[in-house]
Amino acid sequence: GAGVSQTPSNKVTEKGKYVELRCDPISGHTALYWYRQSLGQGPEFLIYFQGTGAADDSGLPNDRFFAVRPEGSVSTLKIQRTERGDSAVYLCASSLIKRDSEQFFGPGTRLTVL
Amino acid sequence: SQQGEEDPQALSIQEGENATMNCSYKTSINNLQWYRQNSGRGLVHLILIRSNEREKHSGRLRVTLDTSKKSSSLLITASRAADTASYFCAVAGNQFYFGTGTSLTVIP
Repeated sequence: GAGVSQTPSNKVTEKGKYVELRCDPISGHTALYWYRQSLGQGPEFLIYFQGTGAADDSGLPNDRFFAVRPEGSVSTLKIQRTERGDSAVYLCASSLIKRDSEQFFGPGTRLTVL
Repeated sequence: SQQGEEDPQALSIQEGENATMNCSYKTSINNLQWYRQNSGRGLVHLILIRSNEREKHSGRLRVTLDTSKKSSSLLITASRAADTASYFCAVAGNQFYFGTGTSLTVIP
């Protein structure tokens, strides 16, 4: 594809619900990243995939957060039992090879937990 | 949190002036990158400087890196109103993390 795409662009949910956020990286990019960004802050690292496997998931805040990339392309970030504090913009990025390469970002999914 | 620190937090200048923003970090690095973010949008990569480089130019952008002081600066020369955005440094080493950002406003 032309760039990284994320769906949905906006998601409003109620506290306690389950949500899934999707990321389509640039074709051929082996590395994929999820970040979370609150207003006025820099992106906060969540998880990094190299191919199908999570190479670093140290940024996931707790076990309510989980991400998969089963075929090494599309990734889904899953949040269980959402809390109001989970409200943020969730950003996905991909890069050609490795973690310290230039990253290409999607437009983000704005999650609002009521 | 592993975030780098940037200053100033906010910067307002007149069109045509230069803008300088600084980034400090704590870990060893392979490279340091600068990204730009327009309001409500994703980040766009601007420039990458490797740990063995001291200065790099790209158009109106000039980046310096001082690994002994663990700091970098981004200079935008002859600023334009379209440069209004938030600018983030990103530190790439064993981990990859972003700074807190500088919000730049260029007044026409």
